[in-house]
Amino acid sequence: EPEVTQTPSHQVTQMGQEVILRCVPISNHLYFYWYRQILGQKVEFLVSFYNNEISEKSEIFDDQFSVERPDGSNFTLKIRSTKLEDSAMYFCASSETGGREKLFFGSGTQLSVL
Amino acid sequence: DQQVKQNSPSLSVQEGRISILNCDYTNSMFDYFLWYKKYPAEGPTFLISISSIKDKNEDGRFTVFLNKSAKHLSLHIVPSQPGDSAVYFCAASGGSFNKFYFGSGTKLNVKP
Repeated sequence: EPEVTQTPSHQVTQMGQEVILRCVPISNHLYFYWYRQILGQKVEFLVSFYNNEISEKSEIFDDQFSVERPDGSNFTLKIRSTKLEDSAMYFCASSETGGREKLFFGSGTQLSVL
Repeated sequence: DQQVKQNSPSLSVQEGRISILNCDYTNSMFDYFLWYKKYPAEGPTFLISISSIKDKNEDGRFTVFLNKSAKHLSLHIVPSQPGDSAVYFCAASGGSFNKFYFGSGTKLNVKP
């Protein structure tokens, strides 16, 4: 089965540093998402992306966050100046039509901000 | 934001018996529901879904029941197998562009 791939699997950074999390969605999918899960908490929606623009974003997704599809295959999440509270598992997901259908998730990037 | 709740953080069942995982929601706009399974160090894997026009959906050993009046759904696994041991999340969406709200998860342990 096709899968969403994420790199790196672990990222350790110092507070205030910029990080870029990378994702390769499933090739024929058109809708892309970032979710995150802080340890012990629920999976939270961050942002959805379609046709090279943000479709919807949550309150968490403030000006420190940005997303980009720099080429035909990659989808990235950038955090400009990381904070301790950004430490979480970040999941990329994609879907084909963006309607009422399942999301395919990657295995996640564990971000640790020190 | 507690729009989707899974009130049981953990559940332990014997192999071969039924596992019942519960989920409640508060937003009446939700019209599509999914269950995901998650193993440690992996992303959530889709298990089964149901739309609000149905009250039951079955796929092999997995059945999801939806009670719209009670704003409640449940996942039944019969028979339970040790490989089913994982964290199960319910998720809901509706009225929004594929934005899913997740519950906090239930850790299922199936004992051999």
